[in-house]
Amino acid sequence: DAKTTQPNSMESNEEEPVHLPCNHSTISGTDYIHWYRQLPSQGPEYVIHGLTSNVNNRMASLAIAEDRKSSTLILHRATLRDAAVYYCILKSQGGSEKLVFGKGTKLTVNP
Amino acid sequence: DTAVSQTPKYLVTQMGNDKSIKCEQNLGHDTMYWYKQDSKKFLKIMFSYNNKELIINETVPNRFSPKSPDKAHLNLHINSLELGDSAVYFCASSLPGLPPETQYFGPGTRLLVL
Repeated sequence: DAKTTQPNSMESNEEEPVHLPCNHSTISGTDYIHWYRQLPSQGPEYVIHGLTSNVNNRMASLAIAEDRKSSTLILHRATLRDAAVYYCILKSQGGSEKLVFGKGTKLTVNP
Repeated sequence: DTAVSQTPKYLVTQMGNDKSIKCEQNLGHDTMYWYKQDSKKFLKIMFSYNNKELIINETVPNRFSPKSPDKAHLNLHINSLELGDSAVYFCASSLPGLPPETQYFGPGTRLLVL
């Protein structure tokens, strides 16, 4: 499985935008970029995914570099409830269905 | 109306005991998973079942035996518990097919082996 690299931790202030980066220089053409997050004492939850184009949903936006070697998860207005570990995961279409979690980025949101 | 539920939420037991963790999903998904999150917070796949058939077994000791009585349930039985089995175990389910094949996780079972 292709690997991703994320900063160990980031901090943000409440109601400010947050940009969480992810590097995936060995991404293959069939790999989708998935983001999950894990709130304290909870199971991971899906946030967003994309292949080539930027994506928006009610939780976040995903900006994907043109060469697909990096991506950025954007939380437009961080809330205290967004404090979590965010995982960037590559998953091939038609490949193994397992999710391979890295260390993720622990996001702290300050009031 | 919890989508993926696990019981028990907490489990404290002695070394050498046998214990089971149950998982149920009401999403109508075909595939279910067990993940283990150790003390360093690494989340790793253990097993995956599709329609009651094992499809992923990630070199887990054979003391761990998953059982899927139907596609809505995936239970995890652990024999001869060891200290190193202490972790949080997450069950998940998904509907394979077109991306994103989102996985939905349960709340976790916190296992402590003394």
